[in-house]
Amino acid sequence: DSGVTQTPKHLITATGQRVTLRCSPRSGDLSVYWYQQSLDQGLQFLIQYYNGEERAKGNILERFSAQQFPDLHSELNLSSLELGDSALYFCASSVVDSSYEQYFGPGTRLTVT
Amino acid sequence: GIQVEQSPPDLILQEGANSTLRCNFSDSVNNLQWFHQNPWGQLINLFYIPSGTKQNGRLSATTVATERYSLLYISSSQTTDSGVYFCAVPSGAGSYQLTFGKGTKLSVIP
Repeated sequence: DSGVTQTPKHLITATGQRVTLRCSPRSGDLSVYWYQQSLDQGLQFLIQYYNGEERAKGNILERFSAQQFPDLHSELNLSSLELGDSALYFCASSVVDSSYEQYFGPGTRLTVT
Repeated sequence: GIQVEQSPPDLILQEGANSTLRCNFSDSVNNLQWFHQNPWGQLINLFYIPSGTKQNGRLSATTVATERYSLLYISSSQTTDSGVYFCAVPSGAGSYQLTFGKGTKLSVIP
């Protein structure tokens, strides 16, 4: 158990819908990262937050957004869902915004039908 | 951005055999992590190894940062070692998000 929690574990929804994925980092970790794992693109970085502020953006679609709350949990919002958004979404956390070890949550498996 | 290549892409082993997985990266890094993704999809931290050698039970890892590669050794493999092994490094100078290789899929058969 990495100490990073993600909910829900599985999500099945229809095209055009909106979903919210939730992540709680390890106790004491200030930095949260979101990654997407799809069959064709592999594991890709989406976005990073550090202590409530957006720190870096990767290959994140405009239909996707995220935020980190004062209690440091983070939410990833996916809207206008398409079949191609079906993937495993991971959240990771690290102590600070630096080159420290990242610990990954169990992931949320999203299926868009 | 930085490129990460892993080899071999697939590996089938008899239980009890040893193996070496390789990770090459295209630029200097100050962080490297190895992960095991089990058949249920969970990403499990194996090593945080920017340089040098570390051991954890039957697994060990070596990173030679000056030559831009890392090796993961699995000895006396067990069926529970099956899954995909990923290495990951920071995406670039001043970046802390990780760039992953495509992984090595390991199948250990009884």
